[in-house]
Amino acid sequence: GQNIDQPTEMTATEGAIVQINCTYQTSGFNGLFWYQQHAGEAPTFLSYNVLDGLEEKGRFSSFLSRSKGYSYLLLKELQMKDSASYLCAVRDRWEGGSYIPTFGRGTSLIVHP
Amino acid sequence: KAGVTQTPRYLIKTRGQQVTLSCSPISGHRSVSWYQQTPGQGLQFLFEYFSETQRNKGNFPGRFSGRQFSNSRSEMNVSTLELGDSALYLCASSLDAREGYNEQFFGPGTRLTVL
Repeated sequence: GQNIDQPTEMTATEGAIVQINCTYQTSGFNGLFWYQQHAGEAPTFLSYNVLDGLEEKGRFSSFLSRSKGYSYLLLKELQMKDSASYLCAVRDRWEGGSYIPTFGRGTSLIVHP
Repeated sequence: KAGVTQTPRYLIKTRGQQVTLSCSPISGHRSVSWYQQTPGQGLQFLFEYFSETQRNKGNFPGRFSGRQFSNSRSEMNVSTLELGDSALYLCASSLDAREGYNEQFFGPGTRLTVL
């Protein structure tokens, strides 16, 4: 089975840095994704980690430790538009041969002035 | 390149009715996955289609079904609707979900309300 935990809600100040954690316990592992989802919109891809370490992409960075079942998403220089839900998803290979992601319930980030 | 499109965007039905939702993937994408998103359960995998075949199915009752056409467009059907089926239904497409690194692109979703 799959169990993915992330905080329900976080608040931060514009211009600050915030770290959103994700822990997982899964029967298999073939990569971890982070998605951003604004209210009423589709999730959009932010990052993908399959090996341990830090992946940096502009203001966003994602870290993975497979041995600890742990990942975090780091958002720097926060902007008001970063207020959204952030979804952690762990991918595993299913019987049909496809890689299917299992999603956490998402962390609602509120950025205030 | 056009993104994933879903129709309709909003739907209101009553208990006991059935509903069909449609998804058109990005051109060239052959894998289509469906998800249900609710505040309580988050995003949950329904099923995945590739080349008109269902390759994987999540833990949902048989009232939830789907199909894929030769042009990769997909439909999902929910019969005998229940109040708990009220949710955002998201479709995601990718080139081939069997490929190692395979980014999924989500459509805007269909908001289904069951009264």
